[in-house]
Amino acid sequence: NAGVTQTPKFRILKIGQSMTLQCAQDMNHNYMYWYRQDPGMGLKLIYYSVGAGITDKGEVPNGYNVSRSTTEDFPLRLELAAPSQTSVYFCASRKTPAGGTDTQYFGPGTRLTVL
Amino acid sequence: DQQVKQNSPSLSVQEGRISILNCDYTNSMFDYFLWYKKYPAEGPTFLISISSIKDKNEDGRFTVFLNKSAKHLSLHIVPSQPGDSAVYFCAASENSGANNLFFGTGTRLTVIP
Repeated sequence: NAGVTQTPKFRILKIGQSMTLQCAQDMNHNYMYWYRQDPGMGLKLIYYSVGAGITDKGEVPNGYNVSRSTTEDFPLRLELAAPSQTSVYFCASRKTPAGGTDTQYFGPGTRLTVL
Repeated sequence: DQQVKQNSPSLSVQEGRISILNCDYTNSMFDYFLWYKKYPAEGPTFLISISSIKDKNEDGRFTVFLNKSAKHLSLHIVPSQPGDSAVYFCAASENSGANNLFFGTGTRLTVIP
């Protein structure tokens, strides 16, 4: 299993440009998440999905959009990039919990710089 | 507003000694706590968790202690190894199935050979 994969690894955008960060998982996990990590800060949840066709906002959703058309893929869209969106973006997935402990598996991250 | 705090940005420990990483939280609704380890250029990986019904959970060299009244948890690594050098994040949620994990800012552990 490749686990959770993210593309691209790095990207530089100009203010006002748009882009899509790709995330895919091959573990047949129902739940998927997007986080951002700003320098010196903890990860903050942007959006999450509990299954294909179902998405919901996290703590910091403004400026982003998501879709979930398949179990495997969960792309994150930035429509009008702003310098405040300079961050490292992590995608994660987990199984539907069946009681007890539960773990999110993270991808390697995408480092985005908006200039 | 940071609901999970790790007040020590860095910690250095000699190989073979104990590493103690601390975490405080402010939200009394938090019921489930996790530690993640992160190496450079990689995503966080799950290390150990604890539910609020316990005050200790152990997994090999790693033990997490929870003090609910003080809203404090700690991760003990014994003995510390150079491969443990990484950034450690504490995270909390309202239950083990909750979708919103709240992360601390991380502590960079360096284990000196």
